[in-house]
Amino acid sequence: SQTIHQWPATLVQPVGSPLSLECTVEGTSNPNLYWYRQAAGRGLQLLFYSVGIGQISSEVPQNLSASRPQDRQFILSSKKLLLSDSGFYLCAWSWQDNQPQHFGDGTRLSIL
Amino acid sequence: GENVEQHPSTLSVQEGDSAVIKCTYSDSASNYFPWYKQELGKGPQLIIDIRSNVGEKKDQRIAVTLNKTAKHFSLHITETQPEDSAVYFCAASGSGGGADGLTFGKGTHLIIQP
Repeated sequence: SQTIHQWPATLVQPVGSPLSLECTVEGTSNPNLYWYRQAAGRGLQLLFYSVGIGQISSEVPQNLSASRPQDRQFILSSKKLLLSDSGFYLCAWSWQDNQPQHFGDGTRLSIL
Repeated sequence: GENVEQHPSTLSVQEGDSAVIKCTYSDSASNYFPWYKQELGKGPQLIIDIRSNVGEKKDQRIAVTLNKTAKHFSLHITETQPEDSAVYFCAASGSGGGADGLTFGKGTHLIIQP
């Protein structure tokens, strides 16, 4: 069966510090991978998606970047965090386009 | 792009009663509509989904209906139980397919009163 892991579960960072959140998927190959951000009381906003190694598409202009160095590894990064980057970050995978997406348990990021 | 509206934002029902959550979408080319349940501190879990070639789908106490003409779809939970308390999200796929992600509603906080 397939599993998705995100870490860390919670993170507190000062403004201006760098960020690296990691997501890995097991039990599948060449999945579509996604990063979402969830603000309190709102739905999920798609930040990035990837259909293969090194292929990243960005949905919204922002202070964050994503990379996919390996088939089942997806990384969310920032060089300098802003207060507005606080939120709940979720990684998801799917077999291919227009298929169910399966989410990890997220990282709660607080910027001080 | 796609726009998904979800109502109500909060729904409180007595244990054993039914709950209905409604969503509308804007892109008539959307063809995939999943529903997710999110418990506190967890990621959303897929509970049921429907494609545009089907009008209704049922899985035990959960059912989803789709009206393509009106561009709306609904989640029905019967015989509600305390463990049904959670935030529920509807979503719709864009006309370009799933690689550009799903567009989510803003969620419904379902509260089951004992």
